[in-house]
Amino acid sequence: EAQVTQNPRYLITVTGKKLTVTCSQNMNHEYMSWYRQDPGLGLRQIYYSMNVEVTDKGDVPEGYKVSRKEKRNFPLILESPSPNQTSLYFCASSLKTGEGYEQFFGPGTRLTVL
Amino acid sequence: DAKTTQPNSMESNEEEPVHLPCNHSTISGTDYIHWYRQLPSQGPEYVIHGLTSNVNNRMASLAIAEDRKSSTLILHRATLRDAAVYYCILNSFNKFYFGSGTKLNVKP
Repeated sequence: EAQVTQNPRYLITVTGKKLTVTCSQNMNHEYMSWYRQDPGLGLRQIYYSMNVEVTDKGDVPEGYKVSRKEKRNFPLILESPSPNQTSLYFCASSLKTGEGYEQFFGPGTRLTVL
Repeated sequence: DAKTTQPNSMESNEEEPVHLPCNHSTISGTDYIHWYRQLPSQGPEYVIHGLTSNVNNRMASLAIAEDRKSSTLILHRATLRDAAVYYCILNSFNKFYFGSGTKLNVKP
């Protein structure tokens, strides 16, 4: 089944403790992206990747890192999480980069930073 | 500032058409307009997208104003399964800018 998977689905952590949220897609998609969703704000793009080893900042990249060493994986790294990073996070992928391609979203990761 | 603005909520009767509006007055000539919807406890799901011309697919139609400063998502016959939050999005090169979404309530 074609899908985007995220792990973990739920995470409670404390301020300053480094964490990684994994994202994997099995559709051989070139483009992958991370979003955070907060009440009343819709989704905001954190980082995106056009292909292996090619990443760039989205609208709200502060406090986050990403890497794209393999085409299928695009982990989101919070090196020193803070309470304002408590949010619902979505990973997405699409066949190609650029405009006009449908994005497929993962099920989300709910992160709470105490 | 938000690149797209949408009404917070709308209501429709089942089996009737629904027109969901979106304003994007700062759109540039190469920006695509996308619509996604999100059911409770799920990730967003693609609905439709377009650049300049109106578009139709099995789920919906997208009407784009001639000046491209606004667009309307049209669900031709709303069903209870269409109750969701609908997002209007500007896609500028590799970036996606979501609006805050319209919560659609469908009454039986």
